[in-house]
Amino acid sequence: DAGVIQSPRHEVTEMGQEVTLRCKPISGHNSLFWYRQTMMRGLELLIYFNNNVPIDDSGMPEDRFSAKMPNASFSTLKIQPSEPRDSAVYFCASSPGTGQAPQHFGDGTRLSIL
Amino acid sequence: DAKTTQPTSMDCAEGRAANLPCNHSTISGNEYVYWYRQIHSQGPQYIIHGLKNNETNEMASLIITEDRKSSTLILPHATLRDTAVYYCIVRVAFAGNQFYFGTGTSLTVIP
Repeated sequence: DAGVIQSPRHEVTEMGQEVTLRCKPISGHNSLFWYRQTMMRGLELLIYFNNNVPIDDSGMPEDRFSAKMPNASFSTLKIQPSEPRDSAVYFCASSPGTGQAPQHFGDGTRLSIL
Repeated sequence: DAKTTQPTSMDCAEGRAANLPCNHSTISGNEYVYWYRQIHSQGPQYIIHGLKNNETNEMASLIITEDRKSSTLILPHATLRDTAVYYCIVRVAFAGNQFYFGTGTSLTVIP
């Protein structure tokens, strides 16, 4: 079975540029999560969607970050303009949405902002 | 969500059982115990979870003590590919609740 698919796997860009990260959740999962992982702060939840609707975006660091889920099979996380401190690994996860169900993670996008 | 305590690192001989402990003495009645692992350059991989009964799947077994204050993840026959950081997470089970990954246990399987 296909897991959560993220693209690109690696992204290197200069500060000030727009960055778009993409995620395809597992088919049939109705909850989607974007996380960011850094050495200093570990894994942090940025935003959570349920049935394509953003439910909790309290973890989004600032207005430069935005996320959309136009349909059940696709989500994007956009950073505009990007800054060096945004460098991190960004993970997307999905789950069936029932309370105890585990979240299944993609392999992440390693983002480097120069 | 309850705090967990895990050893920083462990070694295990290839082919032997790896027993990874986790303390969660402040766990409450509606919190589940989850185990994930993360292999370098990959995303966290779900292993197993449980509430109070012992659980087993194709990857591992989860043993939860009767008072639920600690648990052990057992990899029955460790292979080199099981070398990873293992995270024990205690979490109230509602749909939007995130998973808080602490520092975990770095397991090294030795040939």
